[in-house]
Amino acid sequence: ELKVEQNPLFLSMQEGKNYTIYCNYSTTSDRLYWYRQDPGKSLESLFVLLSNGAVKQEGRLMASLDTKARLSTLHITAAVHDLSATYFCAVEPYGGSQGNLIFGKGTKLSVKP
Amino acid sequence: GAGVSQSPSNKVTEKGKDVELRCDPISGHTALYWYRQSLGQGLEFLIYFQGNSAPDKSGLPSDRFSAERTGGSVSTLTIQRTQQEDSAVYLCASSLEGWEGYEQYFGPGTRLTVT
Repeated sequence: ELKVEQNPLFLSMQEGKNYTIYCNYSTTSDRLYWYRQDPGKSLESLFVLLSNGAVKQEGRLMASLDTKARLSTLHITAAVHDLSATYFCAVEPYGGSQGNLIFGKGTKLSVKP
Repeated sequence: GAGVSQSPSNKVTEKGKDVELRCDPISGHTALYWYRQSLGQGLEFLIYFQGNSAPDKSGLPSDRFSAERTGGSVSTLTIQRTQQEDSAVYLCASSLEGWEGYEQYFGPGTRLTVT
C-alpha cells in the first residue's frame, strides 16, 4: 500500500524564521505535487516536481524532490503570517492511473508575529 | 479565466436520501477527478475520468457511489441512500493531459452533511 507521510503535522513558527516540511513516500514515483489549503477553502497548486533533483521556488517557499530517497521538502524562508495554511504533498505513483494522487495528511502551519 | 466550479456549495440531507453533486471543470481540461476530504480520512481519491470514460473507479467507497461525465465536460457524483459517514467535503479537480504532469486544479468543494 502506498503511503505518503508528512511531518510535522502541526507547525507553529514565528515570523522571520525558517523551517522545512518533509514528505516521504513509499513507492516509486517521479511526480510530486505541493498544494496549499486555507481554512474553508479549496486546494491551490503550489509546485509540480517532475524529476529527481527538481527544485522550484516561489517567493518564500522552495520545494525539492529526491526520488531516490523518496523524499520531498518544502522549505519556508523568513516566514510571514500570510503563509499560515495547511500544506499537502501528493504523489502520483509510477505506473498507476494517471493523475491518481495520493495525498499526505497535511501540515498545518501557523505563523505567529 | 473561469476555474473549476461545483454545486451546491453546501448540502444537508437526511440519512437514506440520494444526493447529486455537480462539477464543471476548466474548459479544455480532458481529465476530471473526484476526491473527498474528511477529518478522519484526509483527502481520498474517489474516481477519475478521461473524457467521458472512467478508467479508474477504485476509490469509490461502496456501490452507493457512482459518477458520470457527459460531453467531456460536466460531471455528476451521485450518492444513494446516504449514510452519516458520507459527511465530508467533496472536491472536484480537472487537469490537462500532457507530459508536464497532471497538475490538478481544484474546485471550491461541496460540503455534504448527512443528518
